[in-house]
Amino acid sequence: QSALSQPASVSGSPGQSITISCTGTSSDVGGYNYVSWYQQHPGKAPKLMIYEVSNRPSGVSNRFSGSKSGNTASLTISGLQAEDEADYYCSSYTSSSTGVFGTGTKVTVL
Amino acid sequence: QVQLVESGGGVVQPGRSLRLSCAASGFTFSSSGMHWVRQAPGKGLEWVAVIWYDRSNKYYGDSVKGRFTISRDNSKNTLYLQMNSLGAEDTAVYYCARDASGGHSGTFDFWGQGTLVTVSS
Repeated sequence: QSALSQPASVSGSPGQSITISCTGTSSDVGGYNYVSWYQQHPGKAPKLMIYEVSNRPSGVSNRFSGSKSGNTASLTISGLQAEDEADYYCSSYTSSSTGVFGTGTKVTVL
Repeated sequence: QVQLVESGGGVVQPGRSLRLSCAASGFTFSSSGMHWVRQAPGKGLEWVAVIWYDRSNKYYGDSVKGRFTISRDNSKNTLYLQMNSLGAEDTAVYYCARDASGGHSGTFDFWGQGTLVTVSS
């Protein structure tokens, strides 16, 4: 199972919006609405930010939103803040009943 | 509150075995699917394995299939990962994570802090 493809880095100024893409295949991202997104600060465990493509867990800011079109899922962070600077990973359920993560995207707040 | 605490990591020689544990509390462990996810130093997340709430199904990533075994003891609220034939490529922080369902929903809603496994002679 190959990792899902994400851009290595994305940057934006405070207050701006950024979007991170996550591209897979019809056997994972495109085949199921079981795409989730995780935020990871250095030295910390990942934190769930979006599940089932576009749902936000309780306590996660509404500045985070998710969507999907075909084999590509996206995470949008609006009103970018300094605390959003972190690594972000997408994940998907697969047709083999396994899981797969994206390659990861480093978000930098300029 | 939900807590997942991994243990059992350390330095191990190539070819040897190691067993990791993940102690769960704050939720009904016997109702939740559970995963192991690892992260090599400076690298991204890699999904390792999942076990359903009732142990009826287990699935593994290609890189560990045949070498690693996931198991659980619902009476002890503990998840395990038995790792055999370890190689340098298995050096990573190993996280246990709770699935949002009893099986595999693709959502890892709570994570432990991880335990570091270093494979080195």
